[in-house]
Amino acid sequence: EDQVTQSPEALRLQEGESSSLNCSYTVSGLRGLFWYRQDPGKGPEFLFTLYSAGEEKEKERLKATLTKKESFLHITAPKPEDSATYLCAVQASGGYNKLIFGAGTRLAVHP
Amino acid sequence: SAVISQKPSRDICQRGTSLTIQCQVDSQVTMMFWYRQQPGQSLTLIATANQGSEATYESGFVIDKFPISRPNLTFSTLTVSNMSPEDSSIYLCSAPGGSTEAFFGQGTRLTVV
Repeated sequence: EDQVTQSPEALRLQEGESSSLNCSYTVSGLRGLFWYRQDPGKGPEFLFTLYSAGEEKEKERLKATLTKKESFLHITAPKPEDSATYLCAVQASGGYNKLIFGAGTRLAVHP
Repeated sequence: SAVISQKPSRDICQRGTSLTIQCQVDSQVTMMFWYRQQPGQSLTLIATANQGSEATYESGFVIDKFPISRPNLTFSTLTVSNMSPEDSSIYLCSAPGGSTEAFFGQGTRLTVV
């Protein structure tokens, strides 16, 4: 069964304190791994898609990496506006555009 | 990318009634997706809506409870029927914006009292 597990469930950081969020997955053929940001009361905002092991993508203070079993979202020198829930999702080969989501990591960055 | 508009953004409904949620995409897409996000939980796919055919429902979701319409390539509706407090959730519409990326609407926050 395709599955996505995110850790930690919640993370509290001081402004400027870098850290990483983890997304472990099991899927019958990975078509893509996705990272989203979700603010309270809003829909998920697309961040990155990763397709193959070794791939990396960056956007401002965020960097996503992918291995054959997991993905990391690295946050460098975070700011309070980076506070949100970060969701990881996978798309399986043959699964058309269906996404299987993890439970998310709630990130709080304090000044 | 795709811009997706949902309405209503929120509603409070009486148990036993039904609510229809509308989703509009700014471009033509073959597939549209409806997700549910229960309080404090992640997203679960309800069904996939293809234009011109019956929606495909995931395990645990049935057409009588969540009927879906897909009249054209830019629009879909999800109805939550005969609501109970357990249906209180955020309902999200999604559509592809590229080869694999999926974009989401702002969601409909439903409270059933």
